[in-house]
Amino acid sequence: EAGVTQFPSHSVIEKGQTVTLRCDPISGHDNLYWYRRVMGKEIKFLLHFVKESKQDESGMPNNRFLAERTGGTYSTLKVQPAELEDSGVYFCASSLGGGLPKGYEQYFGPGTRLTVT
Amino acid sequence: AQKVTQAQTEISVVEKEDVTLDCVYETRDTTYYLFWYKQPPSGELVFLIRRNSFDEQNEISGRYSWNFQKSTSSFNFTITASQVVDSAVYFCALSEPNTGGFKTIFGAGTRLFVKA
Repeated sequence: EAGVTQFPSHSVIEKGQTVTLRCDPISGHDNLYWYRRVMGKEIKFLLHFVKESKQDESGMPNNRFLAERTGGTYSTLKVQPAELEDSGVYFCASSLGGGLPKGYEQYFGPGTRLTVT
Repeated sequence: AQKVTQAQTEISVVEKEDVTLDCVYETRDTTYYLFWYKQPPSGELVFLIRRNSFDEQNEISGRYSWNFQKSTSSFNFTITASQVVDSAVYFCALSEPNTGGFKTIFGAGTRLFVKA
């Protein structure tokens, strides 16, 4: 079974440009999450989808970030326009959903390293 | 409020030494999960262990062991006879499915250097 995949693995863009990160969850996982780690700090929650609906987007830093999950499959996270402080590693995770604890266990992707210059 | 504290920013040991990574958490919920993840230089997050708040039994997996103590809100991780391949950043994390939703709160991480 394929794990969570993320594309690209690394992106270098200039300040003011737009970048779109993609996450493909494990097949059948209704829950999808985005996290990021910036400046070597802790990994912070960004948002949570249940299928195509945003369940919790309390961690989204500002309106330059837009996440979508059309059709409840893969998700994209767009940063527009990118700022220097957006540099970091963006992780995606997915979980099956349903009852605890198994449905709740989150599987993380390899992350996308974003560098804004 | 939910919080995870990993007071050790960096630890450096010589191969074959034992090392303990500390983790202290704060939660208001009685039902919660604790996790440890490893982030090797390649960058991905590798799941190591999950414990729920009702299971305080310590666990051993090979050279890894975990000591969960609710009385001190700690979930420490010990690597016995460390190896160079253990060099990585280790994250402790907490989630509260009932009150915090499904988001996971991570500590700042402890970078472990194991020297040959």
